[in-house]
Amino acid sequence: EDQVTQSPEALRLQEGESSSLNCSYTVSGLRGLFWYRQDPGKGPEFLFTLYSAGEEKEKERLKATLTKKESFLHITAPKPEDSATYLCAVRVDYKLSFGAGTTVTVRA
Amino acid sequence: NAGVTQTPKFRVLKTGQSMTLLCAQDMNHEYMYWYRQDPGMGLRLIHYSVGEGTTAKGEVPDGYNVSRLKKQNFLLGLESAAPSQTSVYFCASSDRESTGELFFGEGSRLTVL
Repeated sequence: EDQVTQSPEALRLQEGESSSLNCSYTVSGLRGLFWYRQDPGKGPEFLFTLYSAGEEKEKERLKATLTKKESFLHITAPKPEDSATYLCAVRVDYKLSFGAGTTVTVRA
Repeated sequence: NAGVTQTPKFRVLKTGQSMTLLCAQDMNHEYMYWYRQDPGMGLRLIHYSVGEGTTAKGEVPDGYNVSRLKKQNFLLGLESAAPSQTSVYFCASSDRESTGELFFGEGSRLTVL
């Protein structure tokens, strides 16, 4: 059965304190791993797509990396506006299967 | 820039009542999806559509029906609401070439008493 597991469930950071979020997956025939950001009361917003092990993508203070079994979302020198829930998902056929998310809170 | 619009945004139902959630997208996307989001469980796919006139079951389809009569609209129906269907419902769409990049609506919060 295809599964996506994210850890930790919640992460509290001080402004400027870098950290990483983990997304581990078990899926037959990965056709893409995706990261989304979700703000409270809003729908998820697409961040990155990763297709193959070793691939990296960057956007401002965020960097996503991919291995054969997991992906990491690194947050470098976070700011309070980086506070959100970060979701990862894997593509299976036409569908995305999502993890439960990591809620990041960055304190000033 | 409307993107994906969901109506209604909030609704309270009594057990056994029926209702329809409407999703409209103005991006000419082929694929549309209905997800539900519950605390600690992430987003779970209810039904999806790969084109006008088509629908398919997702991970948790029981108790829901859908229709895609027009390309831009995807309707989610609850025929007889149950308390277990209390959730936040999200509609999303994507184009044919990049089916991993979904555009989400802002959600519809449904409470079934």
